[in-house]
Amino acid sequence: AQTVTQSQPEMSVQEAETVTLSCTYDTSESDYYLFWYKQPPSRQMILVIRQEAYKQQNATENRFSVNFQKAAKSFSLKISDSQLGDAAMYFCAYNNFGNEKLTFGTGTRLTIIP
Amino acid sequence: NAGVMQNPRHLVRRRGQEARLRCSPMKGHSHVYWYRQLPEEGLKFMVYLQKENIIDESGMPKERFSAEFPKEGPSILRIQQVVRGDSAAYFCASSAGQGANQPQHFGDGTRLSIL
Repeated sequence: AQTVTQSQPEMSVQEAETVTLSCTYDTSESDYYLFWYKQPPSRQMILVIRQEAYKQQNATENRFSVNFQKAAKSFSLKISDSQLGDAAMYFCAYNNFGNEKLTFGTGTRLTIIP
Repeated sequence: NAGVMQNPRHLVRRRGQEARLRCSPMKGHSHVYWYRQLPEEGLKFMVYLQKENIIDESGMPKERFSAEFPKEGPSILRIQQVVRGDSAAYFCASSAGQGANQPQHFGDGTRLSIL
């Protein structure tokens, strides 16, 4: 069974600084997808960024980028120029190619310090 | 273009009652997923449905829980004879198809409280 581990229950960063959230996963599959979701206090689940495992290039979405290390099974999220609106729980998630259920980590609570 | 709509937003039930949670997928989406989130935890997959079919229910408890996605109308997650341990946030997601090019879009969730 696939597992996703987020080892940082809480992180904080000064506004305008950069922060990196860690995620590791365990799988025996070769084709899969990885995601970062954001859950603000409103409890919506918002897709931040996604990565296909067969792509070597790291995904980037504006201030959000990932460092995908397939051999190490690591998928960290970097948030540049942190803003107050970035404060939320961040969940790393995985799914197999052809198997649509998402497996989530336990989340990292990110606090932005003004 | 409306997103995934879940209702009610909050639902309170007494032990032994039934809870019905509704989910209307995004327009054009025919794949629906239900997840449960216990306090301070990540989301756990429950069931994956396409119109009129259950594709994967490996995360669904064997008793008291059922889900459907009829040809017409919303998807329903039904919990019979609720117990305190059913208190959680239940999220529905929908997608237009399979794969990362068709990511799952989530609703705002239904918070179920059992008295």
